[in-house]
Amino acid sequence: EIVLTQSPATLSLSPGERATLSCRASQSVNNFLAWYQQKPGQAPRLLIYDASNRATGIPARFSGSGSGTDFTLTISTLEPEDFAVYYCQQRSNWPLTFGGGTKVEI
Amino acid sequence: EVQLLESGGGLVQPGGSLRLSCVASGFTFSTYDMTWVRQAPGKGLEWVSTISATGGSTFYADSVKGRFTISRDNSKSTVFLQMNSLRAEDTAVYYCAKPRGLAKHNYDSWGQGTLVTVSS
Repeated sequence: EIVLTQSPATLSLSPGERATLSCRASQSVNNFLAWYQQKPGQAPRLLIYDASNRATGIPARFSGSGSGTDFTLTISTLEPEDFAVYYCQQRSNWPLTFGGGTKVEI
Repeated sequence: EVQLLESGGGLVQPGGSLRLSCVASGFTFSTYDMTWVRQAPGKGLEWVSTISATGGSTFYADSVKGRFTISRDNSKSTVFLQMNSLRAEDTAVYYCAKPRGLAKHNYDSWGQGTLVTVSS
């Protein structure tokens, strides 16, 4: 099983700042890594797929990078609605796995 | 517009059974694999099971293998999760999810979730 480790667990920032979230895989997932955003009481929302492709309707302030085992989600300028929990997920191997999440808080 | 509507959750005693359903609309259901993902209270996301578009292939997390069965009825655009021998650690919100493309197992559409509580 591929283990995804996200860091930091919590990121305390202010609106207007830049957020950098990390996801590290226990073995290579090529570029088959996605990022999701989840707000309390809501289902997850797909932000980025295949490491760097924005999903439909996702603002340009969200970007993804990386390949192999190390990946980054960057939010260039935090908006108030971006404070949420972010998860990475790999689809390289079964079983599919998610990271433990990073909470972006004010 | 894609819609996924789960049902069937509730309170069940340890060792009991439940059957979850997810009715889909807004896309050609029979051409997509479908997946269940769960989230325990206050915890992260956990992939549970995936079924191929035809139903011919199924995949399970080790934590549910042998206890849960995924199935689908393409004539009714519905995917099911039969959960037997339930344990306290199965308590979670269960989401039905549609992948963004054929064999592209990232999920661009999710249901609202249905809560399963396993407790005596």
